[in-house]
Order: sequence, then C-alpha cells, then structure tokens
Amino acid sequence: DAGVIQSPRHEVTEMGQEVTLRCKPISGHDYLFWYRQTMMRGLELLIYFNNNVPIDDSGMPEDRFSAKMPNASFSTLKIQPSEPRDSAVYFCASSILGLAGSSYEQYFGPGTRLTVT
Amino acid sequence: AQSVAQPEDQVNVAEGNPLTVKCTYSVSGNPYLFWYVQYPNRGLQFLLKYITGDNLVKGSYGFEAEFNKSQTSFHLKKPSALVSDSALYFCAVRDLGAGNNRKLIWGLGTSLAVNP
Repeated sequence: DAGVIQSPRHEVTEMGQEVTLRCKPISGHDYLFWYRQTMMRGLELLIYFNNNVPIDDSGMPEDRFSAKMPNASFSTLKIQPSEPRDSAVYFCASSILGLAGSSYEQYFGPGTRLTVT
Repeated sequence: AQSVAQPEDQVNVAEGNPLTVKCTYSVSGNPYLFWYVQYPNRGLQFLLKYITGDNLVKGSYGFEAEFNKSQTSFHLKKPSALVSDSALYFCAVRDLGAGNNRKLIWGLGTSLAVNP
C-alpha cells in the first residue's frame, strides 16, 4: 500500500489567497483526520471524518478553514483567505475501525508545509 | 480533564546507552496509550501501544514501553540507543470524551538526540 498521500508537499502563497490541501487515505480506512503542527502549539487536531461524514470539527480555527470528504478516497482542507499565521505543517492521517486499540492507530501522510507570506 | 504530559522537551543520550522518554497521563477510565515517532520532515509513525495485558509492551525498532497504573505513566525505553533514533517522540492517549470518537490526546513531544 502506498500509505496516506498528501499534496502538495510544499505550498507558498501570499496572504489573502485560497489554499487547498489534498489527502488520499489508505484504501479501506474509514477514519480521516486533519492535523496542524507548529512549534508554538504542537500537534492540533482540526477535524476528523468517519465514513466521509465530519464527526468533530471543534479544532477548526475559524470560518476561513473548511474541510470536505466527497468520497472514501479523497479529502480536502481549504483555507480562504489565507493569513501568515496559518503557516504550519498540515498532516492528514487515516485509521480503520478494528478491535480495541487498533482503531486508534493512525497512519500519517508526509504532510504539507504551508508558508503564507 | 483528560491529558497527557511529556515533562521533558529534550532528551540527550550517548549512543549505546539506554534511553527513556517520559510520559504521564490523566484519564477517567481505562487508558489506551500510544507512542509515535516523527523523523525530520516526515509524518508521525506508530511505534507501540498499550491496551491491556502485560505492562511491558514491545514495539518497532527495538523500543518498548512500560505501563505503570499507580504512577499513571507510560515511559518509552530502549536498551541501547542509536544515532538513527534521534527524532521527535509523541505520547498519546485515547480521548474518552462523549460519543464513540476515535480522537487521541497528544503530548507536546520530546526531542531525542542521540550523540555518537
């Protein structure tokens, strides 16, 4: 399996522009998570989906952020308009419903490093 | 409130020496505990987990962790450190909040530096 795939790996954009990050989870996984990692705040969960349905978006910073999962193999995280404080590494992770603790094992993609100037 | 603490921002150890990365937790029910590793410019990778059973769990790359219920700790250990073990290590516990959620509560990470 190719693992979780994220694109682009690096994104540099100007303040005010729209940014779209993409994720393809591992085939068969039914949970998908979006995280943001910064030096100041560590690893933050933004939103997660189960069977393409958003379950908890309490970590989404503000209305400028939105996420969708139109099907089991694709999700997007959009920032519109972007701001310099959105600069971070954004990770997508997936997991599969299984016995006991195995459901909580998350498989991470390589991340997208976003820089907003 | 549920929480995970990694009391050390950084741990330095000489190659060949044993290493310990500390983690303590606070949860209201039975904890499911996890360790993940993040190498530079990479995503997090699962190392090991404790669900139930033996307090000593073994994981990838020669790592192990000891669950101690009385001390509410889950320290990560390795008998002999390698330079290639240098990375960022995260402890996590399952969120026992409302609903059948699959969230993890993450520590802030400990940077491990193994010196040759």
